[in-house]
Parts: sequence; structure tokens; C-alpha cells
Amino acid sequence: KQEVTQIPAALSVPEGENLVLNCSFTDSAIYNLQWFRQDPGKGLTSLLLIQSSQREQTSGRLNASLDKSSGRSTLYIAASQPGDSATYLCAVRGKDSGAGSYQLTFGKGTKLSVIP
Amino acid sequence: EPEVTQTPSHQVTQMGQEVILRCVPISNHLYFYWYRQILGQKVEFLVSFYNNEISEKSEIFDDQFSVERPDGSNFTLKIRSTKLEDSAMYFCASRAGTTSQVKSSPLHFGNGTRLTVT
Repeated sequence: KQEVTQIPAALSVPEGENLVLNCSFTDSAIYNLQWFRQDPGKGLTSLLLIQSSQREQTSGRLNASLDKSSGRSTLYIAASQPGDSATYLCAVRGKDSGAGSYQLTFGKGTKLSVIP
Repeated sequence: EPEVTQTPSHQVTQMGQEVILRCVPISNHLYFYWYRQILGQKVEFLVSFYNNEISEKSEIFDDQFSVERPDGSNFTLKIRSTKLEDSAMYFCASRAGTTSQVKSSPLHFGNGTRLTVT
């Protein structure tokens, strides 16, 4: 059974700092990995989707990498801003998930606080 | 940008009552999902729905749960007889794509319905 772990559980950084969030998964047989942002009491906003054949994806100040063989992904945030404060979730779609199913297994998230 | 819309944002119900959570997925999407998140816990998969039928469901999705797409725009989750442990944030999600794009398109989530069972 796929397990997804995110470390650290919480992170506090001063504004302007670059930071890395970590995600690990136990079963490397995945279709893709998706990073989400969750604001308190809100839904999940998709940030980046990396297919299993890709090594990284970039969007603005965000860069996500994937090392499928070692079961790891990182989300790099450059020049952090107070508006980046949120919980960041990592989720994988395993190959035991059928074509129409798209069952995601989530980590518990890293709560990021960017201090002005 | 198109959004997944969920109503209500918060629902309070008494144990044993039926609740229906409503979702309007993004209009050209073909695949629909329900997930839930108990306070302080991970987001968990409940069910996926495609071509007017359930394509996969988790152990959580027992006989008390059902889903329906009653018309061309709405997607509902019904809990027949709510229990205290059903209290959670319920997220609807949808995804575009034909079978050939099934590996590519990301899930888009709504803002959720917070269900409180008393």
C-alpha cells in the first residue's frame, strides 16, 4: 500500500528566503505526482503536476523535482513571500489506480509560514 | 479560470440524518471524484465517477454513501444515515481528458463542504 510522507510537518522562514519542501513515497510505481496548496478552511489548489517520465516542472517561483527510483520529490520555492504561507500537500497517483480512477494518495502536508 | 463549485460551504446535521453534498464540476470535464479530510488528517480518496458510473471506490465508501450525476452539470454525494465519524471536509474534484489524456490532466478541487455531525 502506497504511503506518502512529508517532512518537515511545519516550517517557518523569513521573507525572501529560498526553501525546499520534501515528499517521499514508498511505491515507485506511479503515474504522476502532484503538489497542492491548501489555505486554512479552503480547498486544494493544484500547483504542479509531474508525470512519471519527467524529472521536474516549473511554474514561476516554484520548481518541483521527481526522483521516482528513490521515491522522492521536492518543491523548491524561490524568494518566499508572506502570501506563500499555506499548507503544501504532495499526492501521488499509483499504477494500481485504474485509467478512470485517478486515486491520489496524499501526504499530511507541510505547513509553511513566511514571516514578513 | 473555471472552478469546481461546492455547496453548501458548511453543513451541520444530526446523527442519523441524510445529507446531500453538491458539486458543479468544470463544464468540459469528464471524470469526477469525492475526497474527504478529517480534521488534522490526510486527504483521503472516496470515489471516482466516469461515464455515469462508479469506476473505483475506497473502503470508506460503504453502503451509506452514494453518488449521482442527476443532470449535465451537478455531481452529488449522499450520506444516507450520518455518523459522528463522518464529520470532515468533503472535496469534490474533476478532471478533463479523453482516455488518451488520462495520464496528463491534473485534478481540480473545489473549496469543500465542511460537514459537522452532532
